Order: sequence, then structure tokens, then C-alpha cells
Amino acid sequence: DGGITQSPKYLFRKEGQNVTLSCEQNLNHDAMYWYRQDPGQGLRLIYYSQIVNDFQKGDIAEGYSVSREKKESFPLTVTSAQKNPTAFYLCASSPGQGAYEQFFGPGTRLTVL
Amino acid sequence: AQRVTQPEKLLSVFKGAPVELKCNYSYSGSPELFWYVQYSRQRLQLLLRHISRESIKGFTADLNKGETSFHLKKPFAQEEDSAMYYCALSGSGYSTLTFGKGTMLLVSP
Repeated sequence: DGGITQSPKYLFRKEGQNVTLSCEQNLNHDAMYWYRQDPGQGLRLIYYSQIVNDFQKGDIAEGYSVSREKKESFPLTVTSAQKNPTAFYLCASSPGQGAYEQFFGPGTRLTVL
Repeated sequence: AQRVTQPEKLLSVFKGAPVELKCNYSYSGSPELFWYVQYSRQRLQLLLRHISRESIKGFTADLNKGETSFHLKKPFAQEEDSAMYYCALSGSGYSTLTFGKGTMLLVSP
């Protein structure tokens, strides 16, 4: 099952540590996205990237950082500044930004102890 | 600003009953509307989009600009329809996708 992959599936970290979540896609998509999914909150956009070496903040970017050095990769770092990092994180990609279908990865569940 | 409202957190129906999952939006321009679905232990995936005017798995949705709604309907629910459903909106141009908070549909036998 190719497409878009996220690793690891589960991640545990101690409070105060930075942690990086991986997202890779082999769909040749230009745009990539990171969402946070919390019960009762739906999906909230953290960061997105339309093209390599460019990215923009979403609605809840504080305490997170990203990079887009390669078209196929869009890693997300959850920093110690994120006040409530325990959540389910979804990565997605699309051919471009706007009214395109977004393809989602399986997600990473991060638990900060 | 664009906003999507799904008023029901949970909708529980019996097999064979009609289903309507409500979605209302707020956007000043011409939006693109989508329904995404997440079945248990599966990835979030596109169910349908209004511009395609398709019926997927028996579901349809009509964009009502006057009422700013995009309700998802199915005449006869099946147990396999049980899932979390998200309504989403993309504005004009290079807009990002805004999701509603989701509605959990439970179809009982």
C-alpha cells in the first residue's frame, strides 16, 4: 500500500522533549499538509506546504515546526513549546492546493508522558 | 473566514432507515464542498464532492447556496455505513481545506 505513509504509528515522549513525526508520499503531489485530530474537534490544520522549500502556518501552528526539503517528505516537529501535544496527527497530500482531493496517511498517535 | 458546522456529534439509526448528516457553511464566495469519511481502522478518505455530482455508496449531497448547506443523504442506511463523517470546505483560489468537527454515524441492525 503506497501513497502516503506516516511513521511511527505510536510515539511516546517525555514532557519537554521535541519529537519529529515522519510523512512521506510517492504520489508526486506538490501540496502536503499536517492536521491534528482531537475528539470532538475535527481536523485542525497545523502547517501546509504548496511546494518544496516553502510552507505556511495553519490555524494552530504554535509549538510546531516543519520542513520541506524534498517533494516527497514533510516532517513535523512537535516542540516542547506545544502546551498540549498528546493527539492524533494526520498528514495529507494533494496534487495542488485548493479544491483538490486530499489523500491521507494512517496517522501517528503521540502521547506525551 | 470560512467555517463549517456539523451540528450533530452522533447520529444513530436502524438499518434501512433514511440518513441525513447535516452540514452548514459560512463563506462569502463560491465554495467547493466535500464529504470525507473515516471507517474504523481505515484512513480518512474522500466520499464525494459537490462538483462531481456523483452518488457514492448510495450517498448524495446537494449544495444549497441559499441555505449555505451541503447535507449528506442516503435513503436506506447499511451497517457498513457506520463511520465518522466530516464535511469540508475549500474557498476560491489557493485556499486550504476547512473541516467540520465531524458526525459519528452508527447504523444498528
